[in-house]
Amino acid sequence: DTAVSQTPKYLVTQMGNDKSIKCEQNLGHDTMYWYKQDSKKFLKIMFSYNNKELIINETVPNRFSPKSPDKAHLNLHINSLELGDSAVYFCASSQGTVTTYEQYFGPGTRLTVT
Amino acid sequence: GDSVTQMEGPVTLSEEAFLTINCTYTATGYPSLFWYVQYPGEGLQLLLKATKADDKGSNKGFEATYRKETTSFHLEKGSVQVSDSAVYFCALRMDSNYQLIWGAGTKLIIKP
Repeated sequence: DTAVSQTPKYLVTQMGNDKSIKCEQNLGHDTMYWYKQDSKKFLKIMFSYNNKELIINETVPNRFSPKSPDKAHLNLHINSLELGDSAVYFCASSQGTVTTYEQYFGPGTRLTVT
Repeated sequence: GDSVTQMEGPVTLSEEAFLTINCTYTATGYPSLFWYVQYPGEGLQLLLKATKADDKGSNKGFEATYRKETTSFHLEKGSVQVSDSAVYFCALRMDSNYQLIWGAGTKLIIKP
């Protein structure tokens, strides 16, 4: 069974389009995250939800909007895509916000904006 | 603020060589420390962790010891294999913060 799944795995689109990435976890976790990984493998936290409440909202363009319909899902919608949005986006989840709990990552969505 | 510094990669070694990837941190309290590994084309997965000073985390032949006096958490393995080729991330997490603070990642290349 897949613990953290993301769809789609690859997304190729043109500048100016709007796209969504979906994430689901079946681990029963109550905290979920979105990360952006650039071409140099640098990881940047974007958002985090705990029990459907936004708890981390880093400095990202407001073209990015997360939505958490329930504890098992965290989607990422991106408006007016730009070339610089090309990256791999990872969803992750953890049980609560206790520091010792590890985060479980999805396989990533490689977004290419042309 | 809190931060993690890792040695720059890529690190290139021959099979069966000894590996050390350095990681040092800056934190105002007592963080939990983690090493994550990212194999090519995959998401990150936890390799090992340590939650207090002098703890040693170990997994798959890798080890790291939480050294409070040197604020370090260096990753070591006695004999690397080609299958260990991956990007390794050091991270910390504070009680006061929900998020992980990540190092920049170190790419490891093992040649047969």
